[in-house]
Amino acid sequence: EAQVTQNPRYLITVTGKKLTVTCSQNMNHEYMSWYRQDPGLGLRQIYYSMNVEVTDKGDVPEGYKVSRKEKRNFPLILESPSPNQTSLYFCASGRGPLHEQYFGPGTRLTVT
Amino acid sequence: AQKITQTQPGMFVQEKEAVTLDCTYDTSDQSYGLFWYKQPSSGEMIFLIYQGSYDEQNATEGRYSLNFQKARKSANLVISASQLGDSAMYFCAMTLNQGGKLIFGQGTELSVKP
Repeated sequence: EAQVTQNPRYLITVTGKKLTVTCSQNMNHEYMSWYRQDPGLGLRQIYYSMNVEVTDKGDVPEGYKVSRKEKRNFPLILESPSPNQTSLYFCASGRGPLHEQYFGPGTRLTVT
Repeated sequence: AQKITQTQPGMFVQEKEAVTLDCTYDTSDQSYGLFWYKQPSSGEMIFLIYQGSYDEQNATEGRYSLNFQKARKSANLVISASQLGDSAMYFCAMTLNQGGKLIFGQGTELSVKP
């Protein structure tokens, strides 16, 4: 089954404790991206990757890191999480940015 | 910079009626793509429809059609014959042909009344 998976689905953590949210797709897509969703703000792009080893900033990259060492994986790293990073996070993949994006199920992160 | 605006935070429609969700965009680029996604209360994001800036005809996918007015920079979603299962949040999004940024509007919450 074609899908994008994210782990964990729910995470409660404390300020400053490094965490990684994994994202994996099995559709051989070149384009992958991360978003955060906050009430009233829609989805905002954090980072995107056009291909392996190629990543670029979206609109809200501060406080986040990504890497794309393999085509299928695109982890999101929060080196020192803060409460303002409490949000719902989505990973997505597609053949390219001009194509339909397939979204993961979301990761709800709470930073206390 | 690109911008997407959805001016209707919430809308109601009677079952079986048509409804239009508004989306305006701002870009100085000539080559771009426009999308609509649906997010039901369960949270997943579902692709509905895509329109390229050079497409001469409005995109249609089943009960969904995109009313693309390039000069007015609008890309409204029309849902015909609304169903109860159409109750959801709807997001308009845009990307440029050059680069990989994808930006979303704030969303419109649609409620379909029986």
